[in-house]
Amino acid sequence: NAGVTQTPKFQVLKTGQSMTLQCAQDMNHEYMSWYRQDPGMGLRLIHYSVGAGITDQGEVPNGYNVSRSTTEDFPLRLLSAAPSQTSVYFCASSSRGGYGYTFGSGTRLTVV
Amino acid sequence: AQTVTQSQPEMSVQEAETVTLSCTYDTSESDYYLFWYKQPPSRQMILVIRQEAYKQQNATENRFSVNFQKAAKSFSLKISDSQLGDAAMYFCAYRSRYNNDMRFGAGTRLTVKP
Repeated sequence: NAGVTQTPKFQVLKTGQSMTLQCAQDMNHEYMSWYRQDPGMGLRLIHYSVGAGITDQGEVPNGYNVSRSTTEDFPLRLLSAAPSQTSVYFCASSSRGGYGYTFGSGTRLTVV
Repeated sequence: AQTVTQSQPEMSVQEAETVTLSCTYDTSESDYYLFWYKQPPSRQMILVIRQEAYKQQNATENRFSVNFQKAAKSFSLKISDSQLGDAAMYFCAYRSRYNNDMRFGAGTRLTVKP
């Protein structure tokens, strides 16, 4: 039972580079979300999806793109990395019914 | 948009004692869900307890219990018989029933003293 799998666990990027953070879940959850965690600010919602083909913006969507072509996968794309995007990123998934989200183990991203 | 406030950036408790972590939230919705998550140094997010807004009874999970005051929009977490393994960041979270996104507070860092 893999749950939510995020890759990579660590990444260093140069300013202006692009990259994709991968997220996959094997629990057939409809809902998936991306969060970033910064000291003193908790987890802030970047983008979320309520099903394949449906995505929406969260609190801090600028500089990030998402797509949801399958139920299992929800990649997060950084278009042109900036130092302000240095953070820990979490992917999470949930079924319907108000249950808590299951989180991946996180990606620590540093932009230099 | 809903907001979640945790007014205690840091708390400490003596092992075997009881500690209460505070959380307030702002919403105009009547039906929603509230959660407490634990994040140990491993960085993994662990669900501690869940409360449904339309249930008046406070949720309990072993040594963890909540005090849910819907009118006051307050959702505190009580940890009884604190253990060294309880040391972690604790996040309060609100999940809307209508759009299903989840919003978090800034967190409270709990230290447990032996």
